[in-house]
This record gives sequence, structure tokens and C-alpha cells, in this order.
Amino acid sequence: EAQVTQNPRYLITVTGKKLTVTCSQNMNHEYMSWYRQDPGLGLRQIYYSMNVEVTDKGDVPEGYKVSRKEKRNFPLILESPSPNQTSLYFCASSSVNEQFFGPGTRLTVL
Amino acid sequence: DQQVKQNSPSLSVQEGRISILNCDYTNSMFDYFLWYKKYPAEGPTFLISISSIKDKNEDGRFTVFLNKSAKHLSLHIVPSQPGDSAVYFCAIQSTGFQKLVFGTGTRLLVSP
Repeated sequence: EAQVTQNPRYLITVTGKKLTVTCSQNMNHEYMSWYRQDPGLGLRQIYYSMNVEVTDKGDVPEGYKVSRKEKRNFPLILESPSPNQTSLYFCASSSVNEQFFGPGTRLTVL
Repeated sequence: DQQVKQNSPSLSVQEGRISILNCDYTNSMFDYFLWYKKYPAEGPTFLISISSIKDKNEDGRFTVFLNKSAKHLSLHIVPSQPGDSAVYFCAIQSTGFQKLVFGTGTRLLVSP
């Protein structure tokens, strides 16, 4: 089954404690991206990757890092999380015609 | 600066009636216009799209209309069903770029 998986699905952490949200896809897509969803703001792109070792900033990259060492994986790293990064995060994997989204990770930073 | 706006945060419709969701955009350079549907605890899923060279695209109960002069996109659901209750996001995309720019979302509630 074609899918995008994210882990963890829910995470509560404290300010400054480094965390990583993993994302994996099994569709052999080159393009992957991360979005955050906030009330009244819709989904905003954080980072994207056109292929292995190729990443670039989206619209709201501050406070986030990514890496793309393998085609299937695109982890999102928060080196020093802050409360304003409390949000719902989605990883997406894209063919030319369609984007497939993971189930989301709800992050709370206290 | 929000490039894509959905001015109605919520919409309530009775089962069997038409649901009309609206979306306005500011940039004329985009080539594809899409609608995504999102249920709670799930990621958005693609619903229907339209290219900038068309003004209407239909898929079963779902029809998307594009008015380029008004920079306006709408989604019609006829007849609406309780299972259509979800958050709907419009999104815009440029040819050759896989980045999507999303609207703010409209929560649709279809009551029996």
C-alpha cells in the first residue's frame, strides 16, 4: 500500500529539548516536504527536498532543520523547540500529479 | 501575506443540499488549482483539481469552478452527504513546481 508514515503521532516536550519527527514514504518519490497546520493559517510549507541531499527552505523554516540522506526518509529536526512551534505537522511525498500526506504529528512544546 | 484565502471558516449544510466552498487567490501566475479534504487525525487527501486553461471540472458529486478574471475558485458538492463533513483546503500550484500554497481551510458540516 502506497503511504507516508510519520512518527511519533503525538509528542509533548519541553522548551529546548531537541527532537526529531521521522517521515518515510514507499512510493519512490523524489519530492518530499514538511508543512505545519495552525488555526486560521492553513498549511504552510517548512522545508522541501527535490531529491537526495537536495533540500531548501519553504515559507516558515525558522527553528527547523531537515536532512535527506535516503530517498524514502525526510526527518524534521527541532534543535531547540519553543512554544511557538506547538502545531500539527504533516509530511508529504509528491509525484508530478499529486501530493500524498502523512497522518500528522501533533507537537506540544511546554 | 496570504496568497490564498478561504473567507468562510465554517459552513453548515443539510444532507442532500448543495455545499459551495469558496477560495480567492492573489497571484495570477499559478497553473493548477486543487482541493484537498481533511478528516480529523488524518492527513489531507486530494479531492479534485483544475488547470488554468479550464473553467470547470467535474468528478461525480464534486465540481470545481475557476474564474480567472475574479481570481476565484469554488467547489460544489451536490448532493451533500454527512460523510462529506471535513475541513476543505484549496491549494494552488505552478507548473514544474511541486510546492502547494494552501488556503486557510473551511470546515464543512453536513447534517442528516
